[in-house]
Amino acid sequence: NAGVMQNPRHLVRRRGQEARLRCSPMKGHSHVYWYRQLPEEGLKFMVYLQKENIIDESGMPKERFSAEFPKEGPSILRIQQVVRGDSAAYFCASSPTGTANTGELFFGEGSRLTVL
Amino acid sequence: SQKIEQNSEALNIQEGKTATLTCNYTNYSPAYLQWYRQDPGRGPVFLLLIRENEKEKRKERLKVTFDTTLKQSLFHITASQPADSATYLCALPPGAGSYQLTFGKGTKLSVIP
Repeated sequence: NAGVMQNPRHLVRRRGQEARLRCSPMKGHSHVYWYRQLPEEGLKFMVYLQKENIIDESGMPKERFSAEFPKEGPSILRIQQVVRGDSAAYFCASSPTGTANTGELFFGEGSRLTVL
Repeated sequence: SQKIEQNSEALNIQEGKTATLTCNYTNYSPAYLQWYRQDPGRGPVFLLLIRENEKEKRKERLKVTFDTTLKQSLFHITASQPADSATYLCALPPGAGSYQLTFGKGTKLSVIP
């Protein structure tokens, strides 16, 4: 049973370009979370999605960031017009049920975005 | 809003000793608390969950306590090994109206041979 798959593992973009990060949750998991981790900082929640629905995007910056989890295919975190401050590790996690229950999250290995 | 603190950024201990990591929280009464391990360049891995009505939880060399009066959880690794060197994160469940696990910044543990 494959774990949470994220790609690309490393992504380099120049300022102003777009970054697309993909996440395939574990089989049978319909809850997907995106977290951002800056160097020397903790994991910061960005968005929580279920299939075709954004449930909680309270951690997403208001501009340039968007997320989706379509009926078919992986979840996508999209960052438009990237700036150097977007450089970070972006982690996707999935769970079979929402965090209102036991809430154990299964994390991918992350996508490391570097903005030049 | 809820706040979670891990009071040591880094902890160095000798191999074979017991490592004790602390997680404190405020403005919250969580139904449970979780601990994760994160290795450099990797994603966090779930270790243990302890519920509010449990004083202690064990898994092999790991032990977690949960004191709801002190609003504190302690994470112990007994007979520590160099392979235990990693960053350990505690996490609180969502508050009312929220869906996010809130993570502490983590404690980087180094076990010295």
